[in-house]
Formats: sequence, structure tokens, C-alpha cells
Amino acid sequence: DAGVTQSPTHLIKTRGQQVTLRCSPKSGHDTVSWYQQALGQGPQFIFQYYEEEERQRGNFPDRFSGHQFPNYSSELNVNALLLGDSALYLCASSPGPGFTDTQYFGPGTRLTVL
Amino acid sequence: GENVEQHPSTLSVQEGDSAVIKCTYSDSASNYFPWYKQELGKRPQLIIDIRSNVGEKKDQRIAVTLNKTAKHFSLHITETQPEDSAVYFCATRNNAGNMLTFGGGTRLMVKP
Repeated sequence: DAGVTQSPTHLIKTRGQQVTLRCSPKSGHDTVSWYQQALGQGPQFIFQYYEEEERQRGNFPDRFSGHQFPNYSSELNVNALLLGDSALYLCASSPGPGFTDTQYFGPGTRLTVL
Repeated sequence: GENVEQHPSTLSVQEGDSAVIKCTYSDSASNYFPWYKQELGKRPQLIIDIRSNVGEKKDQRIAVTLNKTAKHFSLHITETQPEDSAVYFCATRNNAGNMLTFGGGTRLMVKP
């Protein structure tokens, strides 16, 4: 049973470019949340997807957008990249959107913006 | 919004000693309190969690205590081992959604 997977592992972009990160949830999970983890800090919630809709959003600008597919996998898109977007992007899946559902993290995508 | 503060930021202990990490939170509606362990270059892994209707939970060498009145919760690791060395994050969540709010992390170093 595969856990949460993310691709790519590492990514280098330049300022102003756009990036797409991908996440496949753990088997049996239908809810995907995205987090940004800057170096030396705790993860910060970006948004959550359930039933192909954004259900909750953290304090991130509209440059950050996402999508969930019918197979529950998800993408995170970031437009007009800034140096400050350099971080580890973590995807977490859970068996439902309810507040009782434990979240399991993927290995992350390390994004470097030059 | 919720604010979670975690202390200490670094903690060094001798192998076999106990380690305690404390977190305080601001939102009285928070009702779920997980702890994650993150080794260098790896994903955060859930090690223990507690819900607001429970004051204490234990799993082998790891325990978590919760004081809802004071809005703080703590992670206790007994008989520490070198493989416990990692960054530990506390987090909170309330029933308004499934968003986790994390503390800043504690780097635990267990010296053999």
C-alpha cells in the first residue's frame, strides 16, 4: 500500500516563472492538503481539496492555486514565482475532510527560486 | 487566527534522559493536537496525537499531556535514544476545518 507520493523531488526555477507540483494521496484517502515549509520553520497551510473543490484556504495569495482530479490526486500551481517562494512543499492526505481525520504527509518537493 | 508557540527551539539531552517540549495555543476552539517528528530531509511523521476530551495519552516512551484551561500541551519522551534526534513539531486543529497550525519546531539532539 503506497503512502502519499509527490513529484518532482526537487525543482529549480527563476523568478517570474510558473511551477506545478503533484501529489498522489494514500490509498483510501480522498482529501489533500498542501503546506509550505520554509527552512527552519513549521509547515504553513496553503489550502485543502475535497471532492475536486477547494474547501479551505490559508493566508496565501492568489498566485497559489490548485486542482484535484477525479482519482483524488492533486496539483499545486504557483505563478509569478518570487524568491520567497523557495521552500519545501508538502502534501498531506486524509481519509476525509472531517476534523477527526489524521493527516499523513508526503516526502515533499523542494522548490528553489533563483 | 490560531497562533501556536513551541519551546524550546533546541534541546540537547544525554541518552537515557527525558525530554519535554511544550506548546501553547491561542484558539480555545482547538480540539485536536498532533505531534510530528521530522528527520533531516524527510517527511513529517505523526508520532502521537490527543483530542480535547482526553488529558493524557501514552504510547511506549512517548506521552502527551493537554491542559485546555491553560491552552497548552506537552510532549514527553522518556529513555531517549540517539534515533530520537530530529525536529519535533506540535500542531493544533479546530472543528471549523481540517487545517493544521504548526509550532515553530524543536530540534532535539540526543547525545550518546
